[in-house]
Amino acid sequence: DVKVTQSSRYLVKRTGEKVFLECVQDMDHENMFWYRQDPGLGLRLIYFSYDVKMKEKGDIPEGYSVSREKKERFSLILESASTNQTSMYLCASIAAGTDSSPLHFGNGTRLTVT
Amino acid sequence: GQNIDQPTEMTATEGAIVQINCTYQTSGFNGLFWYQQHAGEAPTFLSYNVLDGLEEKGRFSSFLSRSKGYSYLLLKELQMKDSASYLCAVFNTNAGKSTFGDGTTLTVKP
Repeated sequence: DVKVTQSSRYLVKRTGEKVFLECVQDMDHENMFWYRQDPGLGLRLIYFSYDVKMKEKGDIPEGYSVSREKKERFSLILESASTNQTSMYLCASIAAGTDSSPLHFGNGTRLTVT
Repeated sequence: GQNIDQPTEMTATEGAIVQINCTYQTSGFNGLFWYQQHAGEAPTFLSYNVLDGLEEKGRFSSFLSRSKGYSYLLLKELQMKDSASYLCAVFNTNAGKSTFGDGTTLTVKP
């Protein structure tokens, strides 16, 4: 079974702090994704990556950046956290060229910015 | 643009059948996924449709009409544990990503 692990289940940070959310997958998947999930807004794609050192903006990249230095690890960075970034963050992965395969999600990180 | 619509909430009775609809208008389409998400947990895969028609997996079935931009998830013999959010997602190969609807929260009552 694919395992996608997010380093923290809950995080509380202060406004202005730099925040790192880490995600690791163990199935050698090429593609990795960061979503945020808010009530009434569903899952919205922040950034994704096809390969090491590659990144693509999703639908709501503003205020975020990402890092993919190793194939198994995809980090989401909040350069200066703001209260409107309080949300549930979900990481997911999938092998390249597998259209019929579903996303494999981590358990999520619930971030609160105060 | 991407537009995926699902009802926000539905309520059904244990043992009954419920149909959750999803309509989509997207710039690319290579398949449609349904996921289940219990409160506080990650989404888990339920079904995938790429061709028109019905896909059946036990108590759950999913239907797709590409010409109408329409899908539904059918849940039979509802159980209390089926209370969850159900997410419709359209996958676009060229874009390399899935776009999600806002999800439908299903409450199953005794």
